[in-house]
Amino acid sequence: ETGVTQTPRHLVMGMTNKKSLKCEQHLGHNAMYWYKQSAKKPLELMFVYSLEERVENNSVPSRFSPECPNSSHLFLHLHTLQPEDSALYLCASSHFGGSYNEQFFGPGTRLTVL
Amino acid sequence: GENVEQHPSTLSVQEGDSAVIKCTYSDSASNYFPWYKQELGKGPQLIIDIRSNVGEKKDQRIAVTLNKTAKHFSLHITETQPEDSAVYFCAARNTDKLIFGTGTRLQVFP
Repeated sequence: ETGVTQTPRHLVMGMTNKKSLKCEQHLGHNAMYWYKQSAKKPLELMFVYSLEERVENNSVPSRFSPECPNSSHLFLHLHTLQPEDSALYLCASSHFGGSYNEQFFGPGTRLTVL
Repeated sequence: GENVEQHPSTLSVQEGDSAVIKCTYSDSASNYFPWYKQELGKGPQLIIDIRSNVGEKKDQRIAVTLNKTAKHFSLHITETQPEDSAVYFCAARNTDKLIFGTGTRLQVFP
């Protein structure tokens, strides 16, 4: 595997379920990101991890809980979601620090909350 | 904070024609402006970027221009091909964060 991979690619869950999204990067980066992509809205940055420490939390509801066990893996734990949380969730990675570091995106997980 | 506006939201062109997408940003401290292409079922992929100390950059059929005074930057695609059809996002980097525009859906008709 190369680049940034995400699993699952599609997920349907009820509002009372608990599920997790997984992201893995094979690029030797030290920063990982979760974005939410909804129709006709800009990509919304949710969380940033640098060297496995969370450096940014953009006022995301507590029903989203990130976890970064090492620099290659990032999880997003989901519980008691709402239908408006349905979206494409994108993971990205980069070298942290400096002004010009390219972010590499995974293919995303299409989440539907019923 | 930074705010990025992108126009148009949709763009249809005939194969071989040029396409131009424009973005404006609000924070003069932003210094890096990447453009991403997102095809159906895939994540955004960087296609070209420009730094604030450069006014124009070209890579084959793709070029980006930056006007720091006016705080706007544009993506130019020449000799468009059907495989250029995708959603294009501009972004501005501000304090280690990328702030994205709302995207432009480009359709190139054969």
